[in-house]
Amino acid sequence: EAQVTQNPRYLITVTGKKLTVTCSQNMNHEYMSWYRQDPGLGLRQIYYSMNVEVTDKGDVPEGYKVSRKEKRNFPLILESPSPNQTSLYFCASSLFGPIRPYGAFFGQGTRLTVV
Amino acid sequence: SQQGEEDPQALSIQEGENATMNCSYKTSINNLQWYRQNSGRGLVHLILIRSNEREKHSGRLRVTLDTSKKSSSLLITASRAADTASYFCATAQGAQKLVFGQGTRLTINP
Repeated sequence: EAQVTQNPRYLITVTGKKLTVTCSQNMNHEYMSWYRQDPGLGLRQIYYSMNVEVTDKGDVPEGYKVSRKEKRNFPLILESPSPNQTSLYFCASSLFGPIRPYGAFFGQGTRLTVV
Repeated sequence: SQQGEEDPQALSIQEGENATMNCSYKTSINNLQWYRQNSGRGLVHLILIRSNEREKHSGRLRVTLDTSKKSSSLLITASRAADTASYFCATAQGAQKLVFGQGTRLTINP
């Protein structure tokens, strides 16, 4: 089954404790992206990757890191989480970048709480 | 930055009625996409319309695109309770960034 898998689904952590949210897709997609969703602010893009070893900042990259060492995986790293990073996070992938006519597949989301 | 803006922000209708939501965007596009999100879950791609298309159908969904007005509409016909969700339009900003609007929250009342 074609899917984007995020882990964990829920996470409560303390300020400053490094964490990684994993994202994996099984569709051989080139494009992957991370979003955060906050009430009243909609979905905002954190980072995206056009292919292996090619990543770039989205609209809200501060406090986050990503890597794309393999095509299928695109982990999101919070080196020193802060309470303002409490949010619902989504990973997404698509065959090619959004300028091409392919829709994106989304993971089920990771609800992160930083206390 | 928000490329697409949906209107209305919230819509409540009776089951069986049609639901129409609109999206406006600011810059030229190659395609426009509509997604559905059930509460707190991942977004699901519904339909994509290319910039050279004016209308597209998929089951009970009908999407129109007016590039001169930089707007699109999503029509859901014969609504069902299961259509209760938030609906987002999305466009590419440049070649690499997919940008979403803030969504329309649709409630279908039995």
